[in-house]
Amino acid sequence: EPEVTQTPSHQVTQMGQEVILRCVPISNHLYFYWYRQILGQKVEFLVSFYNNEISEKSEIFDDQFSVERPDGSNFTLKIRSTKLEDSAMYFCASSPPGLSMNTEAFFGQGTRLTVV
Amino acid sequence: GNSVTQMEGPVTLSEEAFLTINCTYTATGYPSLFWYVQYPGEGLQLLLKATKADDKGSNKGFEATYRKETTSFHLEKGSVQVSDSAVYFCAPNTDKLIFGTGTRLQVFP
Repeated sequence: EPEVTQTPSHQVTQMGQEVILRCVPISNHLYFYWYRQILGQKVEFLVSFYNNEISEKSEIFDDQFSVERPDGSNFTLKIRSTKLEDSAMYFCASSPPGLSMNTEAFFGQGTRLTVV
Repeated sequence: GNSVTQMEGPVTLSEEAFLTINCTYTATGYPSLFWYVQYPGEGLQLLLKATKADDKGSNKGFEATYRKETTSFHLEKGSVQVSDSAVYFCAPNTDKLIFGTGTRLQVFP
């Protein structure tokens, strides 16, 4: 069964460093998302991506964040200069073609980012 | 803005007990409604969904009915198993999924 894969599963980085979280969405999907979950808190929307551009982003997704789909298969989230409060589980998701609000999103296993 | 409210956990039950996890939402427009489940150490998986009023989504013995008049989508299961222990997330979708904090379910033998 096709699945969304994320690497690495756990990333430890020093404050101020850049990190890139990688995702391989399901191959025929057209909508891509990043969410994050700070430990014990809710799952928060960061950004959605369609047709090679950002379609929506939340207040959390400031200038420190960027997304890319560099080669038609990978979907990356970059944090330019990490802060302690960026420590969270980051989930990538993708959705197939169709009316986006009715179609489910398929999630990866997540990358746990720890900023020290 | 859009939001979702779920009952706080953990919900602790004995095996074969009846489960209800309440979910209410606020959303502009007419969202589709989803329940996702997160088993320990895993990502979010779709459990069930309903796309219009009075629709009932069901899967693995779980059910939820789209109640437009009360903006609710409560999750129920008649007889829970130890393997149902997980975190459950209600998520309305207008143009993206909106999640709450989730409700942890712990089922003991």
